[in-house]
Amino acid sequence: SQQGEEDPQALSIQEGENATMNCSYKTSINNLQWYRQNSGRGLVHLILIRSNEREKHSGRLRVTLDTSKKSSSLLITASRAADTASYFCATDAPGRRTGNQFYFGTGTSLTVIP
Amino acid sequence: DSGVTQTPKHLITATGQRVTLRCSPRSGDLSVYWYQQSLDQGLQFLIQYYNGEERAKGNILERFSAQQFPDLHSELNLSSLELGDSALYFCASSPHRPPYEQYFGPGTRLTVT
Repeated sequence: SQQGEEDPQALSIQEGENATMNCSYKTSINNLQWYRQNSGRGLVHLILIRSNEREKHSGRLRVTLDTSKKSSSLLITASRAADTASYFCATDAPGRRTGNQFYFGTGTSLTVIP
Repeated sequence: DSGVTQTPKHLITATGQRVTLRCSPRSGDLSVYWYQQSLDQGLQFLIQYYNGEERAKGNILERFSAQQFPDLHSELNLSSLELGDSALYFCASSPHRPPYEQYFGPGTRLTVT
């Protein structure tokens, strides 16, 4: 069964505003990753946060992780029209040594209005 | 450009047919993953190969099979196709060290008529 579940399913904001999307998962993880997908294209890796980290930044992206609540959030600051895409969180299946099986959520569809 | 290539880009075929999707991973990546993305099911993990061996199996139907060749490219074979198999099929590759971030190909859009 899927681990990550994103919330909200869809989000529409004005350019320049911040966008926050959340991810909840069910079991323990080694790390959690966020990916972006432009319509009909492949997913692009954005950022990874390990289970022993609480917050991570990359440019306009800020990710938090709360392992006690089994949840993560992705904040995109000062959004741009080019940020319009679907965003997925992916959690791994601990215990595998060579490669990992990842579980992707159903995604949050973000629309940034110019 | 992720460095992962997939062919073909689009495929239209009839029910009952068999197709083969091809994926070449990034240079140096030993792991290949296959995913199916449909509107109602989201992104579903199908199967993972590492250096030619099957490593993990997800929601892959018995009508589907995959393999990874010595040159590390992989093929996903879909047989006895049904209308419900219409979807985007993605291949991803990852390095053989943690944290195994995945690099996705552009996908193959399969339409079964």
